[in-house]
Amino acid sequence: DQQVKQNSPSLSVQEGRISILNCDYTNSMFDYFLWYKKYPAEGPTFLISISSIKDKNEDGRFTVFLNKSAKHLSLHIVPSQPGDSAVYFCAASFEGAQKLVFGQGTRLTINP
Amino acid sequence: NAGVTQTPKFQVLKTGQSMTLQCAQDMNHNSMYWYRQDPGMGLRLIYYSASEGTTDKGEVPNGYNVSRLNKREFSLRLESAAPSQTSVYFCASRHTRGTEAFFGQGTRLTVV
Repeated sequence: DQQVKQNSPSLSVQEGRISILNCDYTNSMFDYFLWYKKYPAEGPTFLISISSIKDKNEDGRFTVFLNKSAKHLSLHIVPSQPGDSAVYFCAASFEGAQKLVFGQGTRLTINP
Repeated sequence: NAGVTQTPKFQVLKTGQSMTLQCAQDMNHNSMYWYRQDPGMGLRLIYYSASEGTTDKGEVPNGYNVSRLNKREFSLRLESAAPSQTSVYFCASRHTRGTEAFFGQGTRLTVV
């Protein structure tokens, strides 16, 4: 049972435009959400996070939005740059536990 | 500051052989995790350890065992390797809930 889902395996965006990556979750006990970026042959690196008490968090070009009623979060990258081409994973943490569950990932390609 | 260190980086095993993947972190983190990454499946949690002395099953624990040797080290053992365990394995650690996890560089394991 996939508790965190990224339904788009890939996304292609023009350089300078906005990239929007989506993530859905099924378990309402999740209370902390994270986005990671992964380049080939490297470990995932943390990008941005959001607590369930907020609905938006910004860090430079990256903004994460959380819609608890829809059990949906999204990552916005503005403007998109060639170095943003990577696989992006969303993750969720269980309330009261340390379990950290990831989605399947979305491969983002930024075209010049 | 090394962060999370995994050894080995690459390994080829024959079906039925055993091996232990090592992971150590120098950030004084409480929680440690083992994930496997397979194409189209994202990062799937194998086992995790919320604190020294405790371990819990994740999404795909069958065929694996873990040991939280001390606060720094969390090892993953394959007792009898199978081709289905061919994957890239990542170790991660984090301090507490509500913080990000840091990943190692991964171990690419091939079982023939």
